Amino acid sequence: GIQVEQSPPDLILQEGANSTLRCNFSDSVNNLQWFHQNPWGQLINLFYIPSGTKQNGRLSATTVATERYSLLYISSSQTTDSGVYFCAGPRYNNNDMRFGAGTRLTVKP
Amino acid sequence: DAGVIQSPRHEVTEMGQEVTLRCKPISGHDYLFWYRQTMMRGLELLIYFNNNVPIDDSGMPEDRFSAKMPNASFSTLKIQPSEPRDSAVYFCASGERQASPQHFGDGTRLSIL
Repeated sequence: GIQVEQSPPDLILQEGANSTLRCNFSDSVNNLQWFHQNPWGQLINLFYIPSGTKQNGRLSATTVATERYSLLYISSSQTTDSGVYFCAGPRYNNNDMRFGAGTRLTVKP
Repeated sequence: DAGVIQSPRHEVTEMGQEVTLRCKPISGHDYLFWYRQTMMRGLELLIYFNNNVPIDDSGMPEDRFSAKMPNASFSTLKIQPSEPRDSAVYFCASGERQASPQHFGDGTRLSIL
């Protein structure tokens, strides 16, 4: 099956700093998505981004499908950004979503 | 609009008992997914449905697990008999169509003693 690698595994930031999270796929993917799991365990869909760039407030994401990677940018981080960020994607035309191991982000005040 | 609704939020039961987890997807969503999250294996897709029909159950760990979707607004995941290694957080998610964002419920934290 498709392999999903996320980096870095852990990230500690001071409030106000910027960061970039990366997601690499071993095969072509469609339907790539980014999720945030907050400290209460809730999984929130941040972006559905099979290709190109999208922005939502302080967050933006870019997927380069031909090179099998996606990036999540967090600008001016806040303590509420803490949690685990997952990327996930299925094989092309398939809903078999494979999740990465996640990046655990801690934002300190 | 209400999101994906799961029940119960927490379940603690003894080994060997039957466990039933419930999910109500977002109205109008054609796809429903069941996931399991553990520290060892992360988030894993167990099974998904399209228009109430199971499409791929290759992630279901063994025959003790079964899932049904009798109508567009309700699905169950059943474990019988339950074992301690089934302890995990079980999530249900729904999506409007094949290529669309998946929206997750708050999960059921299951502990098998």
